[in-house]
Amino acid sequence: GEDVEQSLFLSVREGDSSVINCTYTDSSSTYLYWYKQEPGAGLQLLTYIFSNMDMKQDQRLTVLLNKKDKHLSLRIADTQTGDSAIYFCAETLSGNTPLVFGKGTRLSVIA
Amino acid sequence: GAVVSQHPSWVICKSGTSVKIECRSLDFQATTMFWYRQFPKQSLMLMATSNEGSKATYEQGVEKDKFLINHASLTLSTLTVTSAHPEDSSFYICSARGRVRGSNEQYFGPGTRLTVT
Repeated sequence: GEDVEQSLFLSVREGDSSVINCTYTDSSSTYLYWYKQEPGAGLQLLTYIFSNMDMKQDQRLTVLLNKKDKHLSLRIADTQTGDSAIYFCAETLSGNTPLVFGKGTRLSVIA
Repeated sequence: GAVVSQHPSWVICKSGTSVKIECRSLDFQATTMFWYRQFPKQSLMLMATSNEGSKATYEQGVEKDKFLINHASLTLSTLTVTSAHPEDSSFYICSARGRVRGSNEQYFGPGTRLTVT
C-alpha cells in the first residue's frame, strides 16, 4: 500500500533555512502536498506540486521533487519563530482519492 | 482561500452519550468530504470518505455504526460519535474537496477536540 515517511523532528536557528524531507512509495502519486499544523489547530495547505514538476517556489518556500527517488523536500528560507509547527507531507493519486499523510515533522525554531 | 469550518471546536461529554460534529464548506461546494482522526503527536488517520447524497465509505477498522457520517448537502457533513467512550477522545478533523479557482484541492477544517469523561 501507499506509505509516506518523514523524519519526526527538526530544530533550526532563526534566520537559517529549514529543509524537511519526505519519501513516498507509490510511484503513481500525482499530487504531493505540504501542510502546516500549529498547536491545537487544523491543517493549513502550504503548497503542492504535480508529479510532472521538479521544483516549485512560492516566496520563502521551495519544494523539490525527485520522482526517480520518490523524494520530496520543503525548504523554508529565513526561518522564523512563527514557522514552528508540525509539517505534514501528503500524496494522492488523483483529485478524487484521499490524501495519504506522513507522520509529520515537528519543526522547532530557536531564537 | 477556501474556508472549512467545524463546530464545535471542542466538546466534553460523558461516557455513553452521543456527540455530533459539523463540518461546513463556507465558500465552495464540497463534492467530497473526508473525516480524519488525530491522536496526540501522531499523523491523521482517515476514517471515512463521503460524497454528497451517498453513503460514506469507511476505512478498514472504523466502525460505521459508531461513527455515523451524513453528507446531506454540498456544504455540510456531520460526524456523530455514538455512545462515546474515553477511548474515543481525540482530535477530529474534516476536510472538504471541491472546485476552487479552477483546481480541485482539499481544504481542512480547524478540528474538533473531543474529550469523553
